[in-house]
Amino acid sequence: AQTIHQWPVAEIKAVGSPLSLGCTIKGKSSPNLYWYWQATGGTLQQLFYSITVGQVESVVQLNLSASRPKDDQFILSTEKLLLSHSGFYLCAWDRGREQYFGPGTRLTVL
Amino acid sequence: GMPVEQNPPALSLYEGADSGLRCNFSTTMKSVQWFQQNHRGRLITLFYLAQGTKENGRLKSTFNSKERYSTLHIKDAQLEDSGTYFCAAETSSFSKLVFGQGTSLSVVP
Repeated sequence: AQTIHQWPVAEIKAVGSPLSLGCTIKGKSSPNLYWYWQATGGTLQQLFYSITVGQVESVVQLNLSASRPKDDQFILSTEKLLLSHSGFYLCAWDRGREQYFGPGTRLTVL
Repeated sequence: GMPVEQNPPALSLYEGADSGLRCNFSTTMKSVQWFQQNHRGRLITLFYLAQGTKENGRLKSTFNSKERYSTLHIKDAQLEDSGTYFCAAETSSFSKLVFGQGTSLSVVP
């Protein structure tokens, strides 16, 4: 069975500080991976997707970047956080056309 | 307009009641997924539909790509059904899911 993990569970960071969020999936080779962002009380917005190691496509620009260093790993990062980066970040993978989501990371930027 | 319009934004039901949620699409979508988001933020997949109707216990969902809508029907609502429900439609872009604005459901005794 496939399992998807995200780390950390939650972060409180200062404006201007760097950020790195991780996602890893076990039990599936060469998965398509996705990053989503959800503002508090809002809907989900797809940020990035990756179909293979080293390749990442941006869907929405939010002054964030993503990388796929390993087949089972997807990283979301920025060198300088903004207040608007606060929210809930979810990683997802797909099986066919159906997407499954990780538990998410809650980010608070102060 | 919005590619996915979800209604109602909020809904309050008594235990045992039935109700429905609806998503309208501005364009033809390939498929739709329905999710329940719990209080911890976890997205639980309820349905995936490329067409037609599916049922699972007290939940039933329909997707009509030609008429550009999908519905989620909840029967005999229970307290644990409370949460936020999202529909998400697959566009023609590579696996791009566009989410509706969500329906905040509150089931009360």
